[in-house]
Amino acid sequence: KAGVTQTPRYLIKTRGQQVTLSCSPISGHRSVSWYQQTPGQGLQFLFEYFSETQRNKGNFPGRFSGRQFSNSRSEMNVSTLELGDSALYLCASSLAGQSYGYTFGSGTRLTVV
Amino acid sequence: AQKVTQAQTEISVVEKEDVTLDCVYETRDTTYYLFWYKQPPSGELVFLIRRNSFDEQNEISGRYSWNFQKSTSSFNFTITASQVVDSAVYFCAQGTGNQFYFGTGTSLTVIP
Repeated sequence: KAGVTQTPRYLIKTRGQQVTLSCSPISGHRSVSWYQQTPGQGLQFLFEYFSETQRNKGNFPGRFSGRQFSNSRSEMNVSTLELGDSALYLCASSLAGQSYGYTFGSGTRLTVV
Repeated sequence: AQKVTQAQTEISVVEKEDVTLDCVYETRDTTYYLFWYKQPPSGELVFLIRRNSFDEQNEISGRYSWNFQKSTSSFNFTITASQVVDSAVYFCAQGTGNQFYFGTGTSLTVIP
């Protein structure tokens, strides 16, 4: 069965621009979580969506937002990009929630110049 | 405060040696979950094991084994007879259904 698919794999954006990342979870998984991975901060939780509702949110500014569609696909948006937003953004899906364990996608590598 | 500490940043072992990766966590929750993930060079995190806080039974799965000790808030991971394919970054994570916290990872290099 197909894994978690993230698009695009790589992205280069300019400061001040906005970006949208996409994640298609494993079929049947209703929970989608997003993480930011950087060398300095490691893996940091952004938010979790379940059945189109944001269920949990990490400590990120409002420039980071997301949504989930009825087919469980999720998008993450970052507005007014800053250099510090350069990171690997990982999407993870789970059957019913984080406590069941995730299946991660390969991530989107975002570079802000 | 919630926190996961993986004190070992990098470890190198020679193939066939055993290696233990340490994980210590802090939490005020009485019910929580613990995980280990592996991140190979390809970048995708691979789920290895999940353990809930009520289950302190240690587990062995092939060459992998896990030692959960609630009294010391530790959840260590051992690879026996390491192989080159085990080279990766290993992450320990802890949390509840609301939010999970990852350690900063231990980079394991297995030298042939």
